[in-house]
Amino acid sequence: DAKTTQPPSMDCAEGRAANLPCNHSTISGNEYVYWYRQIHSQGPQYIIHGLKNNETNEMASLIITEDRKSSTLILPHATLRDTAVYYCIVRGMDSSYKLIFGSGTRLLVRP
Amino acid sequence: SQTIHQWPATLVQPVGSPLSLECTVEGTSNPNLYWYRQAAGRGLQLLFYSVGIGQISSEVPQNLSASRPQDRQFILSSKKLLLSDSGFYLCAWSLDSTGELFFGEGSRLTVL
Repeated sequence: DAKTTQPPSMDCAEGRAANLPCNHSTISGNEYVYWYRQIHSQGPQYIIHGLKNNETNEMASLIITEDRKSSTLILPHATLRDTAVYYCIVRGMDSSYKLIFGSGTRLLVRP
Repeated sequence: SQTIHQWPATLVQPVGSPLSLECTVEGTSNPNLYWYRQAAGRGLQLLFYSVGIGQISSEVPQNLSASRPQDRQFILSSKKLLLSDSGFYLCAWSLDSTGELFFGEGSRLTVL
């Protein structure tokens, strides 16, 4: 599976958009980009995933660059409850179904 | 709807004692099952995964073992715990069709 690179930490003001970047320059054509988050002392929570088109759901939007070498997770109106570690993971559908988590980005939403 | 149960939630065990953590999934059939560990202040490490009954794949050499005696049951075990086995253990399941992982609430193990 392709390796991902994320900034170790970020912060944003409550009510503003949080834009979390992820680099995956070695991604291959059949690999998806997944985003999860982990609030302290809880199991990770699925947020969104995509292949090449931008995706949006009730939690967030995922913007994938045309060359697929990077992506951005957007939380449109961050709240204090969005403070968490956010993981960007790249995985192919034929790679034994497992997800390998990296270090993630620790997002702090400031009041 | 699907649910995942994991227990015990917390336990404190002496070095050298055995371990058994259990995970069950309800509301789905033939899920893929996973055990992850998170040491204090660290990221999630995949320990084992299973795509079917009796089929276990180990990701890292370690003091632990896993078993899947039934379709929706996944057990993590150790015969003799080490201090380094302390951590937050998470069970998860997924279906092939989506690749999304759904995690349990976790079991916090402290080895003294």
